[in-house]
Amino acid sequence: SQTIHQWPATLVQPVGSPLSLECTVEGTSNPNLYWYRQAAGRGLQLLFYSVGIGQISSEVPQNLSASRPQDRQFILSSKKLLLSDSGFYLCAFDGGRNQPQHFGDGTRLSIL
Amino acid sequence: KQEVTQIPAALSVPEGENLVLNCSFTDSAIYNLQWFRQDPGKGLTSLLLIQSSQREQTSGRLNASLDKSSGRSTLYIAASQPGDSATYLCAVCPGNQFYFGTGTSLTVIP
Repeated sequence: SQTIHQWPATLVQPVGSPLSLECTVEGTSNPNLYWYRQAAGRGLQLLFYSVGIGQISSEVPQNLSASRPQDRQFILSSKKLLLSDSGFYLCAFDGGRNQPQHFGDGTRLSIL
Repeated sequence: KQEVTQIPAALSVPEGENLVLNCSFTDSAIYNLQWFRQDPGKGLTSLLLIQSSQREQTSGRLNASLDKSSGRSTLYIAASQPGDSATYLCAVCPGNQFYFGTGTSLTVIP
């Protein structure tokens, strides 16, 4: 069966520190991968999506970057976190345009 | 750009009631529409996916309909239970990504 793992579940980081969130998918090949941020009352904002290894598309200018070093691994990074990077980060995947999207359990990121 | 709206933002009903959640979108050129459930502090759980060529999908007590021409979808929940309390989100896919509504927070009162 297809599963998605995202970690850590919670993270508290000081302003200016680096960030690395990891997401892995099992049970499928060549998935589309997504990083979202969910802010209270504002819904899900798509940050990055990837249709293949090394192929990253960014939806909004920001302080974050994403990488896909392996087919089923998606990493969200930052060199220096800002207070505005606080939020709930969600990784997701689907098997193609007409397939349902499945989400990880999310990472609650707090910047101090 | 696709915009997705969900009304109401919050809904409270007594246990056993049937209820309808609404989702509207501005661009009818979509491949599919998906309904999700989100519990507090958790990720999203996929409930139903409706392809653009379909009119509805059913899973247990849930039934989702799609009227692409009018840009609307509804999620019908029959015989609601306290365990149905959660935020329900809809999302439309016009191409390479999903556009999400801000959700309806449902509370089912025992």
